[in-house]
Amino acid sequence: GIQVEQSPPDLILQEGANSTLRCNFSDSVNNLQWFHQNPWGQLINLFYIPSGTKQNGRLSATTVATERYSLLYISSSQTTDSGVYFCAVLYSHGGATNKLIFGTGTLLAVQP
Amino acid sequence: EAGVVQSPRYKIIEKKQPVAFWCNPISGHNTLYWYRQNLGQGPELLIRYENEEAVDDSQLPKDRFSAERLKGVDSTLKIQPAELGDSAVYLCASSLEPNEKLFFGSGTQLSVL
Repeated sequence: GIQVEQSPPDLILQEGANSTLRCNFSDSVNNLQWFHQNPWGQLINLFYIPSGTKQNGRLSATTVATERYSLLYISSSQTTDSGVYFCAVLYSHGGATNKLIFGTGTLLAVQP
Repeated sequence: EAGVVQSPRYKIIEKKQPVAFWCNPISGHNTLYWYRQNLGQGPELLIRYENEEAVDDSQLPKDRFSAERLKGVDSTLKIQPAELGDSAVYLCASSLEPNEKLFFGSGTQLSVL
């Protein structure tokens, strides 16, 4: 099956710093989504981004499907950005039903 | 507009007892998902519904897990009997169309003692 690896696994930032999170996947995918899971466990959809670049406030994401990776940029980080960031890819193999596969996650801690 | 609503938020049971989780998706969303998230891992799909039909239940342990989505709106997930290894967060999600942008509920944290 497909492997979805995220890096770095852990990241500590000072408030105001910028960061880039990476998602690599081992096979062709149909779409990709980025999620933020806050410290209370709520998963928030940040981007639905099968290809190209999108921006939402301080966050932006770029997916290069042909090279099998996606990047999530966080600028001017705030303490409320803390939590786990997951990418999830829509994958089908051998005619099987499309399935959303979550990556390994990046744990981000933003310190004041 | 209300998001995906799940209940209960927490559940503690003894092993071999039954347990049920309830989910109400975002209004108008045809596709409903149940995921399980173990500590330190990403969510894993248990079952996906398109309207009332379960179109992907390949990851659902059918010997003890069951799910239903009557009338194509809200859904219940049941475990009977629960085992220690079932302790996890059970997440419900919905999307307007299959595998489009997913919206998650707050989850049910299950502890089996």
